[in-house]
Amino acid sequence: RKEVEQDPGPFNVPEGATVAFNCTYSNSASQSFFWYRQDCRKEPKLLMSVYSSGNEDGRFTAQLNRASQYISLLIRDSKLSDSATYLCVVNMGTGGFKTIFGAGTRLFVKA
Amino acid sequence: GAGVSQSPSNKVTEKGKDVELRCDPISGHTALYWYRQSLGQGLEFLIYFQGNSAPDKSGLPSDRFSAERTGGSVSTLTIQRTQQEDSAVYLCASSSNFGNEQFFGPGTRLTVL
Repeated sequence: RKEVEQDPGPFNVPEGATVAFNCTYSNSASQSFFWYRQDCRKEPKLLMSVYSSGNEDGRFTAQLNRASQYISLLIRDSKLSDSATYLCVVNMGTGGFKTIFGAGTRLFVKA
Repeated sequence: GAGVSQSPSNKVTEKGKDVELRCDPISGHTALYWYRQSLGQGLEFLIYFQGNSAPDKSGLPSDRFSAERTGGSVSTLTIQRTQQEDSAVYLCASSSNFGNEQFFGPGTRLTVL
């Protein structure tokens, strides 16, 4: 089992749609969680941090469920500019300090 | 302020040669990370530095790969006797501390002929 698994995608949605990405992680001692966005041939950039209490930033909402070891990202009212690959990221501080990126889910938003 | 910088931006080398990749993190960031991304693939974690020390080197793909960080700042990733499968984009990131938001450099695109 991979340490971080994401929906394989790609997701093809029309403008204005709501889209949800899911991610699971295997290490229950994982410390911190993020969603990053990566545009084609560019470096990843932070989209938002993920907390158990939930985190909302405009059209984006992220949620962490530690009991189920599950992370989600919801995008409302999708824009063409949201087209990118979304990466789930988990930091593990026990059993070795390392950051694990999910394989990413590609999103295509079409007019 | 200045972000993470990496050099060179592109490197083409012949199989069997050694290469050295450089990363300049954001000033004051104690944590520094190296990743590798092959075409169309996800990011592969290589190594993490806290200050000048790397608590876990198990992510390095083989003993041809080594990394060091000096002065709690600049880091170099060295690949000895390069192979074609080493061709990838090597990304460096830094954060104020392990577990915090990571800021990425633009990467070094390595091509081994």
